Amino acid sequence: GENVEQHPSTLSVQEGDSAVIKCTYSDSASNYFPWYKQELGKGPQLIIDIRSNVGEKKDQRIAVTLNKTAKHFSLHITETQPEDSAVYFCAAKREYGNKLVFGAGTILRVKS
Amino acid sequence: DAMVIQNPRYQVTQFGKPVTLSCSQTLNHNVMYWYQQKSSQAPKLLFHYYDKDFNNEADTPDNFQSRRPNTSFCFLDIRSPGLGDAAMYLCATSRVAGNYNEQFFGPGTRLTVL
Repeated sequence: GENVEQHPSTLSVQEGDSAVIKCTYSDSASNYFPWYKQELGKGPQLIIDIRSNVGEKKDQRIAVTLNKTAKHFSLHITETQPEDSAVYFCAAKREYGNKLVFGAGTILRVKS
Repeated sequence: DAMVIQNPRYQVTQFGKPVTLSCSQTLNHNVMYWYQQKSSQAPKLLFHYYDKDFNNEADTPDNFQSRRPNTSFCFLDIRSPGLGDAAMYLCATSRVAGNYNEQFFGPGTRLTVL
């Protein structure tokens, strides 16, 4: 089955700096890659996703890149703000089926 | 606003005492999921319903059951909670099975087992 590895497990950045979180997946049949942000005591919220037919997607300060050949995808947050502090999860899903496989999560701390 | 609602937000039960967690959705999505999330871990899928079809994960203990009486509601029943079942339980929904179906998560129910 699918296995998703996520790095780093914790990341501290200074406010205004960029943050990058990386994930690798094992199943070449995976074609949907969402990123979720989870704040303390809340459920995960989708912040951006990418399909396997594109290499990059941007939404304001957030971008995701996908390298299908290498089976890895990354989340990029620019101009980080204290409210970006949270746990971020990457995930992968196969073309057919409902199951999202999550990475282990990254604790992002933005220091002001 | 369309959303996924979980009740209660906090649930305390005793070791071995059955407990039921509730999820409702106003999104009219046909897939509903239950995840278990332990501290500092990723959500782990327990099972999901695609309409009335129940899909259990192979490693979900028999102690966990689910019911979906209609499109809007889904329940998680823990028949005999153990200390190891203390966790956050997340409900999620998605519109259709298959490609690219975004999952919307509820706020979760934190279960404490005494």
